Amino acid sequence: NAGVMQNPRHLVRRRGQEARLRCSPMKGHSHVYWYRQLPEEGLKFMVYLQKENIIDESGMPKERFSAEFPKEGPSILRIQQVVRGDSAAYFCASSFDRNTGELFFGEGSRLTVL
Amino acid sequence: QKEVEQNSGPLSVPEGAIASLNCTYSDRGSQSFFWYRQYSGKSPELIMSIYSNGDKEDGRFTAQLNKASQYVSLLIRDSQPSDSATYLCAVNRGGSNYKLTFGKGTLLTVNP
Repeated sequence: NAGVMQNPRHLVRRRGQEARLRCSPMKGHSHVYWYRQLPEEGLKFMVYLQKENIIDESGMPKERFSAEFPKEGPSILRIQQVVRGDSAAYFCASSFDRNTGELFFGEGSRLTVL
Repeated sequence: QKEVEQNSGPLSVPEGAIASLNCTYSDRGSQSFFWYRQYSGKSPELIMSIYSNGDKEDGRFTAQLNKASQYVSLLIRDSQPSDSATYLCAVNRGGSNYKLTFGKGTLLTVNP
């Protein structure tokens, strides 16, 4: 029973390029969450998605960041025109129910912007 | 004041000892409290959740919550080297448990 799968695990981009991070939730989970961990900071909530819907994007930066969870395929966090400040670990989590309190996290995608 | 504060450590204890990890939070409206364990380069893993004042025990782990003092702690009895990891405290205001506010974590090292 595979856990939350994220790829790539490591991604290097130059300033101005685009980064795409993918997340496949645990089998049977329909709720996906993205968190970001900046250097020396705690994990911070970015966005909550269900299939084809963004439920809560209150933690997403206003520009350059977008997320989707299509009917088929993984959830994608997209960062356009990356800047050095985007360098961080991006964690995806999933849950069976939004209210259980138990989020299952993936191992993260570490983005480095040169 | 930071929303969730933890001593960054490292906290070093000998094998078999009790490790005590502490966390304070600023939002009095917080209702749910979680401890996650994160090995280096791995995913955070939920080990304890607590919702009401008092103690909650699960095996070698005990979570303690004091809402009046805005304080939550995790005790690990009979610490093992495999417990060496970063422990993340997370709280949430209520409603839905997905929007967690995390502390920066405490690095625990258990020495054989």
